[in-house]
Amino acid sequence: EVLLTQSPATLSLSPGERATLSCRASQNIRNYLAWYQQKPGQAPRLLIYDASNRATGFPARFSGSGSGTDFTLTISSLEPEDFAVYYCQQRSNWPLTFGGGTKVEIK
Amino acid sequence: QVQLVQSGAEVKKPGASVRVSCKASGYTFSDYYIHWVRQAPGQGFEWMAWINPKSGGTNYAQKFQDRVTMTRDTSINSAYLELSRLRSDDTAVYYCARGYTSGLAGTEFDPWGQGTLVTVSS
Repeated sequence: EVLLTQSPATLSLSPGERATLSCRASQNIRNYLAWYQQKPGQAPRLLIYDASNRATGFPARFSGSGSGTDFTLTISSLEPEDFAVYYCQQRSNWPLTFGGGTKVEIK
Repeated sequence: QVQLVQSGAEVKKPGASVRVSCKASGYTFSDYYIHWVRQAPGQGFEWMAWINPKSGGTNYAQKFQDRVTMTRDTSINSAYLELSRLRSDDTAVYYCARGYTSGLAGTEFDPWGQGTLVTVSS
């Protein structure tokens, strides 16, 4: 099973600041990594697929990068609606697995 | 728009079974796999199973192999998850989610249903 380790667990930032979230895989997953955004009481929404492709409905301030075992989600300038929990997920190997999440909170 | 609507919350006793439904709309149901993913309170996500709505073929995570059954009814564009021999650690929000890529099992999930809270308590 591919283990995904996200860091940090919590990121405390102010609106307008840059957020950098990390997801590390326990083995090579090529670029088969997705990111999701989840707000309290809501289902997750697909944000990034195949490491760097932005899903419909998300603005350009969200970007993803990486391949192999190290991946990054960057939010260039935080807006109030971006404070949420972000999860990574791999589709390279079965079972499909998720990281433990990074909470981006208002400082 | 593409939408998945799940059945309502359930409270079950240990040892019982639960069945959760997921009704799809806004796309051709048979073209995309449906997955079930759960999230225990304050925890991350755990993939459980998928079903190919076209063939009815299924694949279950090894952890749930002997307790889970996924079915579908193409006449009403719905998928179902049944989990048996419930334990307290099965308490979680259960989500159905559509595969992002048509015809592909190993994919991202988009969209997700609204979630169904299943509480297992004596």
